[in-house]
Amino acid sequence: QSVLTQPPSASGTPGQKVTISCSGSSSNIRGNFVFWYQQLPGTAPKLLIYRNNQRPSGVPDRFSGSKSGTSAFLAISGLRSEDEADYYCATWDNSLSGPLFGGGTKLTVL
Amino acid sequence: QVQLQESGPGLVKPSETLSLVCSVSDFSISSDFYWGWIRQPPGKGLEWIGAINHSGKTYYNPSLKNRVTISVDTSKKQFFLNLTSVTAAETAVYYCARSLNYLLQMEVWGKGTTVAVSS
Repeated sequence: QSVLTQPPSASGTPGQKVTISCSGSSSNIRGNFVFWYQQLPGTAPKLLIYRNNQRPSGVPDRFSGSKSGTSAFLAISGLRSEDEADYYCATWDNSLSGPLFGGGTKLTVL
Repeated sequence: QVQLQESGPGLVKPSETLSLVCSVSDFSISSDFYWGWIRQPPGKGLEWIGAINHSGKTYYNPSLKNRVTISVDTSKKQFFLNLTSVTAAETAVYYCARSLNYLLQMEVWGKGTTVAVSS
């Protein structure tokens, strides 16, 4: 079980907005940047959000990140079938002195 | 456009050393970035293994620190992963990646290479 807790699954219909949570603690999310990765089936992960809420060039603005206290959130608006993927949060943990990934959330577009 | 390519044995025996190479194309490995390794067991999540920066400073996952070594050969534009005393639980897809500014800001990834640990 990961120190960063994500729901194992999430779903939505095309056009909907979906939010994926990443729950941590004061030793990780609260004081550190959060990063989000998208992993399409059979491919390498792709950086989706960095430093809590920044999008790399080429990532659509349908994807947004936020953080509040010891939790972080990835919101996907205008859901599309190609958004069906696994999503991972990641951050530094001060107690462990190392980076952590969440367990991942499998997003299904119904 | 920078590309990363992992290579190495697809099969390693338990208790032996896993050794992988990441070759970097169309980019200077001496630039101010982190070069790292991440793995993913079949059907499971991601685990950060470690990274090395342009000046050779290394950063390791504390849970693997005693067994992992990451090094770089700038002349060959390659960086390396050595993981000793592997077990079957370390069967995974191993990815190399380039990070900008922060270890976890991995913005370029290789396609990954599958390594099975089995006798």
